[in-house]
Parts: sequence; structure tokens; C-alpha cells
Amino acid sequence: KAGVTQTPRYLIKTRGQQVTLSCSPISGHRSVSWYQQTPGQGLQFLFEYFSETQRNKGNFPGRFSGRQFSNSRSEMNVSTLELGDSALYLCASRGTGFGEQYFGPGTRLTVT
Amino acid sequence: GIQVEQSPPDLILQEGANSTLRCNFSDSVNNLQWFHQNPWGQLINLFYIPSGTKQNGRLSATTVATERYSLLYISSSQTTDSGVYFCAVEPFNYGQNFVFGPGTRLSVLP
Repeated sequence: KAGVTQTPRYLIKTRGQQVTLSCSPISGHRSVSWYQQTPGQGLQFLFEYFSETQRNKGNFPGRFSGRQFSNSRSEMNVSTLELGDSALYLCASRGTGFGEQYFGPGTRLTVT
Repeated sequence: GIQVEQSPPDLILQEGANSTLRCNFSDSVNNLQWFHQNPWGQLINLFYIPSGTKQNGRLSATTVATERYSLLYISSSQTTDSGVYFCAVEPFNYGQNFVFGPGTRLSVLP
């Protein structure tokens, strides 16, 4: 069974631009969560989608948004990029919304 | 919200040594996972262990949910064990997703 995939793997953007990251969960998994990892703040939860509905949301500004499609693939969008948005963005999936999470390889975003 | 602490923050070992990593959490949890993050950033699942004891080769883990801690044991360490080990908990009070600890950075020297 294929694992969680994320695209793109690396991205360089300029301050003020917007970016969209994509995540494909393990086949059959309906829950997708997004996390941001920075050296200063560690791993922080952004949001979780389950069956196309946002179920949980972390403490991030409204510039961070996401969505989930009927095939469980998810995208997250960051608008008006700031230098502090430079981070590794990790996506995780799990089957029913409870239980063990499996992570993708991440997208490393650099904002210049 | 729930607080997750990991100790020690850094650990340097000689190849072949054993080690114990600890994770303390401040509230009841539904789930607990241990991960190893490799140098490329990938989080690799080690254990899904909300309670009890599990073993996988040279690694084992124990979670005592009533006392709010979990331990990860690494025996006969190898250089490939180097990296950062994270504990992540999902609070019992649903509405919060996984909360990660700050990690333990392990360096295994040849």
C-alpha cells in the first residue's frame, strides 16, 4: 500500500505571494491533518479534515486554510506569505479519524 | 491545553549502548505515538502505544497512562538510530489533535 505523498517537496516563494500544498493520504484513509514544523516552535497542528469537513483547527491565522476533496486528497493554502512561514509542512493521514497517524515526507517551504 | 515534555533534550551515545527516552504529559490522552525523524524530515512511526508495552526489534516502549508518562527504550544503539525522537499525544478531551513534545535529539557515535 502506498504511503502518504506530498507535492511539491520543495518550494521557494517571495513574501506576499500565496502557495498551495497538496497531500494524498494512504488509500482508504479519510482523515488528513496538517502540521507546521519550525526550529523555534517545533511541530504544531494546523487543521484536520475528515470526509471533506474541517474537524479541528489549530491556533494559526486565517491566512492558513485547507480543504479536502471527495477522494480524501487535501490541499492547504497560505496567502500573503511572510518570512516566518518558512517551515517544513507535514501531512498525516489515518483511517477513521482516530488511531495511528502516518506522515508524508513533507514540503519544505522557503519564503524570501 | 495539554503539555508534553520530553527528556533528555539531547543524548550522545557510543554505538552499542542502551538508552531510555521519556515523555511526560499533563492530561489524559486517547492516543500516544513515538516517531523518529530522519535527516530529511520524514517522521517514521515507531510505536502507537496509548497504554501498555510493545516491542519491535531493538526498540520497545511502555506507556503508563494513569501516571501520564511513556518511555522509549533503544538497546544496542546503531549510528542509524541518530535523529530526533518525538512523542505525540492526542488529548482525551476531543477537539484537539496530536500535540507533539519538543523531541530528544540522539547522536550515536561509531
